[in-house]
Amino acid sequence: GQQVMQIPQYQHVQEGEDFTTYCNSSTTLSNIQWYKQRPGGHPVFLIQLVKSGEVKKQKRLTFQFGEAKKNSSLHITATQTTDVGTYFCAGKNDYKLSFGAGTTVTVRA
Amino acid sequence: DGGITQSPKYLFRKEGQNVTLSCEQNLNHDAMYWYRQDPGQGLRLIYYSQIVNDFQKGDIAEGYSVSREKKESFPLTVTSAQKNPTAFYLCASSTTGTGATEAFFGQGTRLTVV
Repeated sequence: GQQVMQIPQYQHVQEGEDFTTYCNSSTTLSNIQWYKQRPGGHPVFLIQLVKSGEVKKQKRLTFQFGEAKKNSSLHITATQTTDVGTYFCAGKNDYKLSFGAGTTVTVRA
Repeated sequence: DGGITQSPKYLFRKEGQNVTLSCEQNLNHDAMYWYRQDPGQGLRLIYYSQIVNDFQKGDIAEGYSVSREKKESFPLTVTSAQKNPTAFYLCASSTTGTGATEAFFGQGTRLTVV
C-alpha cells in the first residue's frame, strides 16, 4: 500500500538558521499537502501541490513537488520561534490521504 | 460557525469495553477520515469515507469500526479487539473536487484505556 516517509524526525534549529524537511512516497501521488501541528493542537493545512515540479512559497516557507510526483520538500529560511511545531506531509492517491511521521522542530533562541 | 467537532475531548474506558468517538462536520464535505496519533509515529489512517454509506479501511483498521449513515457524521468505534487503544484520535473532512482538497481537523479525542 501507499507509504509516506518523512525525514528527519526531529530538527533542532538555531533561530535565524535555515532547514529542510523531506517527504517520499512509495507510489505516485495525485497531490501532496503540508500541515503544521503546534504542541497540544491539531494539524492545520499549509499548502497543496498538484503539478509535477511545482514550487510554491509562503513568506519564509518554500514547498516543492518532485518531477515524478513521489517526493516533496519544505524549506524554511531564517527560522523563528513561531516555527516551532511538527510539520507533516500528506500524500493523496484517489481519496486516501496518508501522512508521514512528521518533522518536529524546536528552535534555540 | 462551520467546522468539525469531535467529542469528548478526553475519554476514559476500562479494558475490554467498546467505545464510540463522535465526529460531526457542517462543512458539507463528502470525504471524512479517522487517524490515530501516537508519539513519534505521525498520523496513521484508520478508516476513510468518500461518500455516504461507503467507507474503506486505512492502514490500521483492525480493532476499529465505522459507519457513514449521514454526510455530516462519521463515528468511530474502538472495539475490545484493539490491542493498544490508548491514543489521540483525530477526525478530518475534506471536499472531493479537483481543486484544493485540504483536510480540516477536529480538536481530537484523547482516549485512555485502563
